[in-house]
Amino acid sequence: DAGITQSPRHKVTETGTPVTLRCHQTENHRYMYWYRQDPGHGLRLIHYSYGVKDTDKGEVSDGYSVSRSKTEDFLLTLESATSSQTSVYFCAISEGRYEQYFGPGTRLTVT
Amino acid sequence: SQKIEQNSEALNIQEGKTATLTCNYTNYSPAYLQWYRQDPGRGPVFLLLIRENEKEKRKERLKVTFDTTLKQSLFHITASQPADSATYLCALPMNNNAGNMLTFGGGTRLMVKP
Repeated sequence: DAGITQSPRHKVTETGTPVTLRCHQTENHRYMYWYRQDPGHGLRLIHYSYGVKDTDKGEVSDGYSVSRSKTEDFLLTLESATSSQTSVYFCAISEGRYEQYFGPGTRLTVT
Repeated sequence: SQKIEQNSEALNIQEGKTATLTCNYTNYSPAYLQWYRQDPGRGPVFLLLIRENEKEKRKERLKVTFDTTLKQSLFHITASQPADSATYLCALPMNNNAGNMLTFGGGTRLMVKP
């Protein structure tokens, strides 16, 4: 998985609790992304980062925030988890434009 | 609004045949298009990128075509093998730009039977 790890790999949490997912890369790539994947919707971009402390919103950013304090780490936070945020979350990285390399995913269940 | 369509029904083919998957898009003029493979429980893996000025691109048993007039890309796997069974996703840059943000199609599941 191109030097990308995600933690945790599985998490079950209750509605209303905060949740932070971590993406760690060893490739020193500039760009990092968070996606969610749901049946019937495919992969959708939540947020992305184009450098340390530089982030921007994707197409489904409501309810999510991100932070990138180091090149290698990109954190996704659900401030107050809802059942609609039950999904599989993928982190991806890229050096420039074009191909992206994905992590193994985190399966999040909000009960 | 921009839309990407891939056949949501699984494609079942016999080993050795050529598999052809379709990616159609509307309200886009993308600078490039990408194809990814995704196995169950794993993240997508990049396969090929084709630019708007390229009609065809090949990589081993894979071939991608890009018709900007028809707004369609075809993805071919020749001499298919059971190991090719996976879901294949096409992706285009968001908002017609040539930047990094991608929009993905829903994917087509390919099943290659021995």
